[in-house]
Amino acid sequence: QKEVEQDPGPLSVPEGAIVSLNCTYSNSAFQYFMWYRQYSRKGPELLMYTYSSGNKEDGRFTAQVDKSSKYISLFIRDSQPSDSATYLCAMRLSSGAGSYQLTFGKGTKLSVIP
Amino acid sequence: NAGVTQTPKFRVLKTGQSMTLLCAQDMNHEYMYWYRQDPGMGLRLIHYSVGEGTTAKGEVPDGYNVSRLKKQNFLLGLESAAPSQTSVYFCASSLEWYEQFFGPGTRLTVL
Repeated sequence: QKEVEQDPGPLSVPEGAIVSLNCTYSNSAFQYFMWYRQYSRKGPELLMYTYSSGNKEDGRFTAQVDKSSKYISLFIRDSQPSDSATYLCAMRLSSGAGSYQLTFGKGTKLSVIP
Repeated sequence: NAGVTQTPKFRVLKTGQSMTLLCAQDMNHEYMYWYRQDPGMGLRLIHYSVGEGTTAKGEVPDGYNVSRLKKQNFLLGLESAAPSQTSVYFCASSLEWYEQFFGPGTRLTVL
């Protein structure tokens, strides 16, 4: 079992829809959780970052972490065509030898149709 | 600020050839990383550096070498390219662990 699982999609939604993107993970030692957005033929850029469990909101984006279920989510409200991209979840340990590394999901490709 | 830049943007190699990919950052970041991104595999860490003169292996280091002689530069070398190294290579840098800033990528094809 891969450490981080993410449905690759593609996911296609109409403009204005609420989008839910998810990742599951197997290593309970992950403490930091991130969402990156990657436009076609570009490098990833950080969207949101959360520590441990809970919710974090930034404009139309909300990140949720449920450590008991080893499940993280990214919600996009009022989705726009400009949100069309691949969304990558990433996580890392809080300490120890592996804490230098981010473990990424494979990414979910999202298309928002006008 | 240019951020993170990568040279070259595209390259085609024949099996057995060597090449060096250059990453440069102007943000005075301590940490730098090399990733490869393949369809269905996601981003995988090749090597990373926590400061000038230091390097360490990531998840998929075989077939690659790196050097960090200057703080702003991180070089990735392929000594004898193989078709399995056909990929998109991304360099990233960070001041803190969570926010990694990525370059635009290098598309490498090995024939």
